[in-house]
Amino acid sequence: DTGVSQDPRHKITKRGQNVTFRCDPISEHNRLYWYRQTLGQGPEFLTYFQNEAQLEKSRLLSDRFSAERPKGSFSTLEIQRTEQGDSAMYLCASSRGGGVGQPQHFGDGTRLSIL
Amino acid sequence: SQQGEEDPQALSIQEGENATMNCSYKTSINNLQWYRQNSGRGLVHLILIRSNEREKHSGRLRVTLDTSKKSSSLLITASRAADTASYFCGGEIQGAQKLVFGQGTRLTINP
Repeated sequence: DTGVSQDPRHKITKRGQNVTFRCDPISEHNRLYWYRQTLGQGPEFLTYFQNEAQLEKSRLLSDRFSAERPKGSFSTLEIQRTEQGDSAMYLCASSRGGGVGQPQHFGDGTRLSIL
Repeated sequence: SQQGEEDPQALSIQEGENATMNCSYKTSINNLQWYRQNSGRGLVHLILIRSNEREKHSGRLRVTLDTSKKSSSLLITASRAADTASYFCGGEIQGAQKLVFGQGTRLTINP
Protein backbone atom coordinates (compact mmCIF):
# COMPACT_ATOMS: atom_id res chain seq x y z
CA ASP A 1 0.00 0.00 0.00
CA THR A 2 1.28 3.44 -0.88
CA GLY A 3 -1.26 5.01 1.46
CA VAL A 4 -3.91 7.67 0.94
CA SER A 5 -2.49 10.81 -0.67
CA GLN A 6 -3.98 14.29 -0.38
CA ASP A 7 -3.03 17.45 -2.22
CA PRO A 8 -2.35 20.17 -1.32
CA ARG A 9 -1.27 19.76 2.30
CA HIS A 10 -2.01 23.40 3.05
CA LYS A 11 -4.24 25.96 1.35
CA ILE A 12 -4.56 29.60 2.34
CA THR A 13 -7.18 31.63 0.53
CA LYS A 14 -9.30 34.72 0.87
CA ARG A 15 -12.92 34.55 1.87
CA GLY A 16 -15.17 34.18 -1.15
CA GLN A 17 -12.68 32.26 -3.26
CA ASN A 18 -13.23 28.70 -4.53
CA VAL A 19 -10.89 25.90 -3.52
CA THR A 20 -10.47 22.31 -4.70
CA PHE A 21 -8.75 19.46 -2.91
CA ARG A 22 -7.68 16.12 -4.33
CA CYS A 23 -7.54 12.69 -2.73
CA ASP A 24 -5.89 9.58 -4.16
CA PRO A 25 -7.04 6.51 -2.22
CA ILE A 26 -5.21 3.22 -1.77
CA SER A 27 -5.41 1.64 -5.21
CA GLU A 28 -7.51 -1.43 -4.47
CA HIS A 29 -9.97 0.40 -2.21
CA ASN A 30 -13.36 1.09 -3.75
CA ARG A 31 -14.76 3.13 -0.84
CA LEU A 32 -13.69 6.73 -0.30
CA TYR A 33 -14.72 9.11 2.47
CA TRP A 34 -14.30 12.81 3.23
CA TYR A 35 -14.22 14.13 6.78
CA ARG A 36 -13.65 17.57 8.27
CA GLN A 37 -11.76 18.16 11.50
CA THR A 38 -11.56 21.41 13.45
CA LEU A 39 -9.02 22.12 16.15
CA GLY A 40 -9.50 20.04 19.29
CA GLN A 41 -12.31 17.98 17.78
CA GLY A 42 -12.62 14.58 16.19
CA PRO A 43 -13.27 14.21 12.46
CA GLU A 44 -16.84 14.76 11.24
CA PHE A 45 -18.20 12.80 8.27
CA LEU A 46 -18.94 14.77 5.10
CA THR A 47 -19.57 12.28 2.31
CA TYR A 48 -18.87 8.75 1.05
CA PHE A 49 -18.36 7.11 -2.34
CA GLN A 50 -18.53 3.50 -3.38
CA ASN A 51 -16.67 3.41 -6.69
CA GLU A 52 -17.96 6.49 -8.56
CA ALA A 53 -21.33 6.63 -6.80
CA GLN A 54 -21.79 9.18 -4.01
CA LEU A 55 -23.95 7.22 -1.59
CA GLU A 56 -24.24 9.46 1.44
CA LYS A 57 -23.86 13.16 2.23
CA SER A 58 -23.90 14.78 5.64
CA ARG A 59 -26.06 17.78 6.43
CA LEU A 60 -22.71 19.51 7.06
CA LEU A 61 -22.18 19.44 3.29
CA SER A 62 -23.94 22.65 2.29
CA ASP A 63 -24.69 23.47 -1.34
CA ARG A 64 -21.32 25.28 -1.49
CA PHE A 65 -19.59 21.92 -1.19
CA SER A 66 -19.38 19.37 -3.97
CA ALA A 67 -17.44 16.13 -4.20
CA GLU A 68 -16.77 13.93 -7.19
CA ARG A 69 -15.12 10.64 -7.92
CA PRO A 70 -15.44 10.49 -11.69
CA LYS A 71 -13.78 7.17 -12.49
CA GLY A 72 -13.96 5.53 -9.13
CA SER A 73 -10.33 6.31 -8.41
CA PHE A 74 -9.27 9.77 -7.17
CA SER A 75 -11.76 12.21 -5.69
CA THR A 76 -12.04 15.99 -5.53
CA LEU A 77 -13.77 18.15 -2.94
CA GLU A 78 -14.63 21.68 -4.02
CA ILE A 79 -15.77 24.50 -1.75
CA GLN A 80 -17.28 27.50 -3.47
CA ARG A 81 -17.47 31.01 -2.00
CA THR A 82 -15.41 30.03 1.04
CA GLU A 83 -16.36 31.39 4.46
CA GLN A 84 -14.36 31.80 7.68
CA GLY A 85 -16.13 28.80 9.15
CA ASP A 86 -14.72 26.56 6.42
CA SER A 87 -11.27 26.77 8.01
CA ALA A 88 -10.46 23.21 9.05
CA MET A 89 -8.47 20.10 8.18
CA TYR A 90 -10.15 18.13 5.39
CA LEU A 91 -9.35 14.43 5.66
CA CYS A 92 -9.83 11.73 3.08
CA ALA A 93 -10.02 8.03 3.92
CA SER A 94 -10.45 4.85 1.91
CA SER A 95 -11.37 1.25 2.62
CA ARG A 96 -12.06 -2.02 0.86
CA GLY A 97 -15.65 -2.76 0.01
CA GLY A 98 -17.69 -5.73 1.05
CA GLY A 99 -19.29 -6.38 4.40
CA VAL A 100 -18.60 -4.71 7.70
CA GLY A 101 -15.37 -4.51 9.57
CA GLN A 102 -13.15 -2.86 6.98
CA PRO A 103 -10.71 -0.36 8.50
CA GLN A 104 -10.66 3.14 7.04
CA HIS A 105 -7.19 4.44 6.19
CA PHE A 106 -6.68 8.18 6.32
CA GLY A 107 -4.44 10.58 4.46
CA ASP A 108 -2.56 13.44 6.11
CA GLY A 109 -5.27 15.91 5.18
CA THR A 110 -5.46 19.34 3.60
CA ARG A 111 -5.41 22.20 6.07
CA LEU A 112 -7.56 25.09 4.81
CA SER A 113 -7.14 28.57 6.21
CA ILE A 114 -9.54 31.32 5.19
CA LEU A 115 -8.23 34.87 5.55
CA SER B 1 -22.16 17.16 16.16
CA GLN B 2 -20.07 14.45 17.73
CA GLN B 3 -21.85 11.29 18.81
CA GLY B 4 -19.01 9.75 20.74
CA GLU B 5 -17.10 10.75 23.82
CA GLU B 6 -13.60 9.90 24.97
CA ASP B 7 -12.53 10.00 28.58
CA PRO B 8 -10.28 11.45 29.84
CA GLN B 9 -9.81 14.40 27.49
CA ALA B 10 -6.15 14.57 28.49
CA LEU B 11 -3.83 12.07 30.16
CA SER B 12 -0.22 12.55 31.22
CA ILE B 13 1.85 9.59 32.48
CA GLN B 14 5.46 8.51 32.90
CA GLU B 15 7.20 6.42 30.30
CA GLY B 16 6.77 2.72 31.05
CA GLU B 17 3.38 3.13 32.70
CA ASN B 18 0.13 1.87 31.19
CA ALA B 19 -2.40 4.25 29.65
CA THR B 20 -6.12 3.57 29.55
CA MET B 21 -8.57 5.57 27.50
CA ASN B 22 -12.33 5.10 27.37
CA CYS B 23 -14.85 5.76 24.66
CA SER B 24 -18.64 5.85 24.72
CA TYR B 25 -21.04 6.05 21.81
CA LYS B 26 -24.76 6.58 21.37
CA THR B 27 -26.00 4.49 18.45
CA SER B 28 -25.66 0.86 17.42
CA ILE B 29 -22.43 0.09 15.62
CA ASN B 30 -20.98 -2.54 13.29
CA ASN B 31 -17.50 -2.09 14.67
CA LEU B 32 -15.33 0.35 16.56
CA GLN B 33 -11.99 1.58 15.30
CA TRP B 34 -9.22 3.22 17.31
CA TYR B 35 -6.88 5.74 15.73
CA ARG B 36 -3.79 7.74 16.70
CA GLN B 37 -3.16 11.25 15.43
CA ASN B 38 0.08 13.16 15.76
CA SER B 39 -0.08 16.93 15.55
CA GLY B 40 -0.78 18.15 12.02
CA ARG B 41 -1.03 14.65 10.60
CA GLY B 42 -3.83 12.31 9.57
CA LEU B 43 -5.27 9.47 11.59
CA VAL B 44 -3.33 6.23 11.81
CA HIS B 45 -5.46 3.10 12.17
CA LEU B 46 -4.56 1.09 15.28
CA ILE B 47 -7.14 -1.61 15.77
CA LEU B 48 -10.70 -2.57 14.79
CA ILE B 49 -13.06 -4.52 17.03
CA ARG B 50 -16.29 -5.92 15.65
CA SER B 51 -19.59 -5.67 17.51
CA ASN B 52 -19.57 -9.42 18.23
CA GLU B 53 -16.09 -9.29 19.78
CA ARG B 54 -15.37 -8.40 23.40
CA GLU B 55 -11.60 -8.06 23.45
CA LYS B 56 -8.78 -7.76 20.97
CA HIS B 57 -5.01 -7.46 21.24
CA SER B 58 -2.38 -6.07 18.93
CA GLY B 59 1.16 -5.76 20.25
CA ARG B 60 1.06 -3.38 23.23
CA LEU B 61 -2.59 -2.51 22.55
CA ARG B 62 -5.61 -4.10 24.18
CA VAL B 63 -9.13 -3.05 23.23
CA THR B 64 -12.38 -4.06 24.91
CA LEU B 65 -15.92 -3.50 23.72
CA ASP B 66 -19.12 -3.62 25.78
CA THR B 67 -22.07 -3.19 23.43
CA SER B 68 -24.59 -3.28 26.30
CA LYS B 69 -22.95 -0.18 27.79
CA LYS B 70 -22.03 1.26 24.39
CA SER B 71 -18.45 1.69 25.54
CA SER B 72 -14.91 0.67 24.64
CA SER B 73 -11.49 1.03 26.21
CA LEU B 74 -7.98 1.18 24.78
CA LEU B 75 -5.07 0.09 26.95
CA ILE B 76 -1.51 0.88 25.90
CA THR B 77 0.98 -1.08 27.98
CA ALA B 78 4.59 -0.10 28.71
CA SER B 79 4.13 3.36 27.19
CA ARG B 80 6.88 5.05 25.20
CA ALA B 81 7.56 8.72 24.40
CA ALA B 82 6.56 7.97 20.80
CA ASP B 83 3.04 7.11 22.00
CA THR B 84 2.45 10.82 22.69
CA ALA B 85 -0.48 11.73 20.43
CA SER B 86 -4.24 12.17 20.36
CA TYR B 87 -6.30 8.99 20.31
CA PHE B 88 -9.76 8.74 18.77
CA CYS B 89 -12.38 6.04 18.67
CA GLY B 90 -14.68 5.91 15.66
CA GLY B 91 -17.85 3.86 15.65
CA GLU B 92 -19.09 2.58 12.29
CA ILE B 93 -22.82 3.24 12.42
CA GLN B 94 -25.11 0.32 11.57
CA GLY B 95 -26.71 0.80 8.19
CA ALA B 96 -24.09 3.36 7.16
CA GLN B 97 -20.43 3.32 6.25
CA LYS B 98 -19.39 6.44 8.10
CA LEU B 99 -17.41 6.63 11.31
CA VAL B 100 -18.61 8.83 14.16
CA PHE B 101 -15.80 10.14 16.36
CA GLY B 102 -15.55 11.72 19.77
CA GLN B 103 -13.26 14.59 20.76
CA GLY B 104 -10.33 12.30 21.48
CA THR B 105 -7.91 11.79 24.35
CA ARG B 106 -4.67 13.74 24.29
CA LEU B 107 -1.97 11.44 25.69
CA THR B 108 1.40 12.76 26.87
CA ILE B 109 4.18 10.35 27.83
CA ASN B 110 6.83 11.99 29.99
CA PRO B 111 10.37 10.59 29.69
